[in-house]
Amino acid sequence: TQLLEQSPQFLSIQEGENLTVYCNSSSVFSSLQWYRQEPGEGPVLLVTVVTGGEVKKLKRLTFQFGDARKDSSLHITAAQPGDTGLYLCAGPRSGGSYIPTFGRGTSLIVHP
Amino acid sequence: EAGVAQSPRYKIIEKRQSVAFWCNPISGHATLYWYQQILGQGPKLLIQFQNNGVVDDSQLPKDRFSAERLKGVDSTLKIQPAKLEDSAVYLCASSLYGNEQFFGPGTRLTVL
Repeated sequence: TQLLEQSPQFLSIQEGENLTVYCNSSSVFSSLQWYRQEPGEGPVLLVTVVTGGEVKKLKRLTFQFGDARKDSSLHITAAQPGDTGLYLCAGPRSGGSYIPTFGRGTSLIVHP
Repeated sequence: EAGVAQSPRYKIIEKRQSVAFWCNPISGHATLYWYQQILGQGPKLLIQFQNNGVVDDSQLPKDRFSAERLKGVDSTLKIQPAKLEDSAVYLCASSLYGNEQFFGPGTRLTVL
């Protein structure tokens, strides 16, 4: 079973601070995705990373896929209250079909 | 484009009762997923359909949970009988090409 471990589990910061959250596994993933879930809603896809070492930017969010494709990070610059939510990483289990597995998530609160 | 629709949004039942959830995926999406998300955790895949065939149901508690996707469009997930530990948010998602999933808002189930 391919597991995704996310850290930290909780993060509470002030508006304007920078932060990084991590998604780690002992297994190689062909791709990893990051989702954000707001209270009372379903997760929304932020990005998919496919190539080892890949860096993608989405406004103030920077996503990196590890060279060995076993880990990924999400860095947020100058966090805003609108960034509050549960950040989830997900990837396909091993095998032919795309069968997704999710990490437990990092719950982020950004205080004004 | 309309998103994934789920109903009901909230349901409260007593243990040993039955409950059913409904999902209408995005038009044209062949793959449909049902997830269970317990408070403080990431979504756990219960069952994945490709059209009206099951791709994976390895984490579905088949003694009490069942799901169907007649005609490869709408889907229902049923729990019979419910237990206290079934209290969770049940998320439905659909995808066109496998890894990019679009989630519905979820059904919050409380079992008393």
